[in-house]
Amino acid sequence: EDKVVQSPLSLVVHEGDTVTLNCSYEVTNFRSLLWYKQEKKAPTFLFMLTSSGIEKKSGRLSSILDKKELFSILNITATQTGDSAVYLCGGGSNYKLTFGKGTLLTVNP
Amino acid sequence: DTEVTQTPKHLVMGMTNKKSLKCEQHMGHRAMYWYKQKAKKPPELMFVYSYEKLSINESVPSRFSPECPNSSLLNLHLHALQPEDSALYLCASSQVLGPLHFGNGTRLTVT
Repeated sequence: EDKVVQSPLSLVVHEGDTVTLNCSYEVTNFRSLLWYKQEKKAPTFLFMLTSSGIEKKSGRLSSILDKKELFSILNITATQTGDSAVYLCGGGSNYKLTFGKGTLLTVNP
Repeated sequence: DTEVTQTPKHLVMGMTNKKSLKCEQHMGHRAMYWYKQKAKKPPELMFVYSYEKLSINESVPSRFSPECPNSSLLNLHLHALQPEDSALYLCASSQVLGPLHFGNGTRLTVT
């Protein structure tokens, strides 16, 4: 059975802090690792990682995949209150995406 | 707003009712998905359609019946649901092997 584990499960920081969210996976026929941000409704897509060691960046967010260690991290620098959300990591094989439990990030002003 | 549109936004139904959830996308995606999300839990895959054919059914009870009338539309027919089926039902679409794009979901309450 595919398994994705995220840590920490929750995190409280102050605006301006840098955070690192962790995701480990055991996925049969692994193809990709995806990160999503979920506020009240739909998870919104952040990154899709398929190659090991190549960092993807979008503004203050970045992510990298280690296929040898079956691990990914999501970094958020200079956090803002608008970054408060649940961050979901998913391991994908063909059409099946298995999510971890998510990390609840709270950014206080 | 997302490019995957789900209707209705909210639905309350009794255990003997029959209702349908609808999902539409116009991004040309050939894969469409139904996920179920309970409060404070991650989304769980229910069904996947690829090129309008059912390719994955995650052992979902038969009281949930998916339908893909064409490449833009996905329905989920509901019949004789239980209160524990109350959840947020998310539709998503993707290019083949691409990232999923989710709709805002239908909040279902079974009374």
